[in-house]
Amino acid sequence: GDSVTQMEGPVTLSEEAFLTINCTYTATGYPSLFWYVQYPGEGLQLLLKATKADDKGSNKGFEATYRKETTSFHLEKGSVQVSDSAVYFCALSDQGNTPLVFGKGTRLSVIA
Amino acid sequence: KAGVTQTPRYLIKTRGQQVTLSCSPISGHRSVSWYQQTPGQGLQFLFEYFSETQRNKGNFPGRFSGRQFSNSRSEMNVSTLELGDSALYLCASSLARQSNTEAFFGQGTRLTVV
Repeated sequence: GDSVTQMEGPVTLSEEAFLTINCTYTATGYPSLFWYVQYPGEGLQLLLKATKADDKGSNKGFEATYRKETTSFHLEKGSVQVSDSAVYFCALSDQGNTPLVFGKGTRLSVIA
Repeated sequence: KAGVTQTPRYLIKTRGQQVTLSCSPISGHRSVSWYQQTPGQGLQFLFEYFSETQRNKGNFPGRFSGRQFSNSRSEMNVSTLELGDSALYLCASSLARQSNTEAFFGQGTRLTVV
């Protein structure tokens, strides 16, 4: 079945550091890929998405590129802020109206 | 416009009891999905409803059930609660049932079973 594997956390970075959170997936079809973010005490918010190979999703300085050849969708940000501290989830939705499949989540803490 | 609303935000129940959680989707959204979030298992899909019909179901026992009303509001019910049912239950709504459609999540209902 479909699955998502993302790097284990927690990740602790200093403000203005570069962020990478790795995400790889297994899918039978041609999935859409998503990054969701969960702030403390909140539900999930969509951060960015990509729906086909080589698409780049971007939002709030975060980027991720859909790499079909490596089945990856790594999240990057050039300069993190304290306000980026949250849990980040990589997810996919395969074709045929299948539900979202999530990775385990990566907790990011950014210190000033 | 208003987001996804889940009620109640917090619940404490005793083992063996049953519980009903409610979800009001964004106006116009007809698809509602439910997820269970726990530290050990992460986010796991429970079920999806679209136009009052269950379209997908995750791998949960029959104690977990749900329904959707004509106004797209949804409820999920858990009967004979077990300690392991303690979790954050998240509801998500979306406009359509396509794989590239964004899902909007509510803040969740934190269920504690004692």
